[in-house]
Amino acid sequence: GAVVSQHPSWVICKSGTSVKIECRSLDFQATTMFWYRQFPKQSLMLMATSNEGSKATYEQGVEKDKFLINHASLTLSTLTVTSAHPEDSSFYICSARDSRGQWNTEAFFGQGTRLTVV
Amino acid sequence: SQQGEEDPQALSIQEGENATMNCSYKTSINNLQWYRQNSGRGLVHLILIRSNEREKHSGRLRVTLDTSKKSSSLLITASRAADTASYFCATGSNSGNTPLVFGKGTRLSVIA
Repeated sequence: GAVVSQHPSWVICKSGTSVKIECRSLDFQATTMFWYRQFPKQSLMLMATSNEGSKATYEQGVEKDKFLINHASLTLSTLTVTSAHPEDSSFYICSARDSRGQWNTEAFFGQGTRLTVV
Repeated sequence: SQQGEEDPQALSIQEGENATMNCSYKTSINNLQWYRQNSGRGLVHLILIRSNEREKHSGRLRVTLDTSKKSSSLLITASRAADTASYFCATGSNSGNTPLVFGKGTRLSVIA
């Protein structure tokens, strides 16, 4: 089946630094990818929709200057957490659906990235 | 924003028993999907049921959908310890360009 690869799977960084997370669709093209955030024992909260070749769409309450999203190609989206603070520590997951398929609406998820800001 | 509510929030059963999880949602949907998440991992797609379907089976999984009540259920039969995970329902459209909206999830523990 289709695979979405997310890297890194975990990262520890110091407060004030920036961290980049990559999300790649390995065997399909995705004009749109999605970034979610998940706190322990909670559900996935949509942060933003990443659009290939255009600006990302952010959910209410998500700071676009803090969570920079770039979708430079049909198979790669990146999320950069800028000037990270301990409260940004969380589990970040990307997702993509094959935008060419009309009936195939299954979403594929990356493995997730555990970010710890110290 | 979250679309739905799952209940129960946590479920603990013995191996071999059946596990039933319910999901309710608020808006009209084109399809409803169930996903599984092992602790600290990504999500794995289990099953998709379209709005014009009422029941669907996949192995030990059975999903029902009642659009009049805006609810769905996931039944796992003959549970195994390896079924221990969190289960989420998600609603979506037929377009690949819209995100899935997730419920709060049910944490299932299957005790051997």
